[in-house]
Amino acid sequence: AQSVTQPDIHITVSEGASLELRCNYSYGATPYLFWYVQSPGQGLQLLLKYFSGDTLVQGIKGFEAEFKRSQSSFNLRKPSVHWSDAAEYFCAVGAYNQGGKLIFGQGTELSVKP
Amino acid sequence: SQTIHQWPATLVQPVGSPLSLECTVEGTSNPNLYWYRQAAGRGLQLLFYSVGIGQISSEVPQNLSASRPQDRQFILSSKKLLLSDSGFYLCAWSGGQTGVNTEAFFGQGTRLTVV
Repeated sequence: AQSVTQPDIHITVSEGASLELRCNYSYGATPYLFWYVQSPGQGLQLLLKYFSGDTLVQGIKGFEAEFKRSQSSFNLRKPSVHWSDAAEYFCAVGAYNQGGKLIFGQGTELSVKP
Repeated sequence: SQTIHQWPATLVQPVGSPLSLECTVEGTSNPNLYWYRQAAGRGLQLLFYSVGIGQISSEVPQNLSASRPQDRQFILSSKKLLLSDSGFYLCAWSGGQTGVNTEAFFGQGTRLTVV
């Protein structure tokens, strides 16, 4: 079955520390992978996407993610977290030419300590 | 630039009442349109998607229905709401061109509470 797993429901990091949010997927076809961020009560904003090519992708707000096919993973990273990064983060997988038909993970809530 | 509008932002409805949530997209034509639901503390689940006027695909059986009366308008409806319909509903659009990789763009959502 197709699925996305985000193993960490909640993560707390100190401001200025590095961050890695984990995402593992199970998908029968070539996956197209996305990370979205959601502030409380708001819609989702796309952070970055992977369709093909370089497996290390850069996104907005200083985020990056690395696609590792052998591990079925697409982990999100940021070298130095800012207090404004506190939000919920969703990993999602989709198929070619079906950009909005996505399977989402359960989300990881990020808290940032001063 | 393209924008997506959803309304209302919040809604409290009694059990058994009807529902109509509306979503419109501006600045693009022939988009693919989607309705997602986010239950409390959970991820998003795709409810419906549409590739054109009058074309609706349902992803999960439920008490809800969707319609697309115009190219850039997507409506989520129910004749009689259930308590289990409570949640955060998000509309999204993506490019409808074939052979093109696209991503989804989301609206701000509607918080529905059924009481």
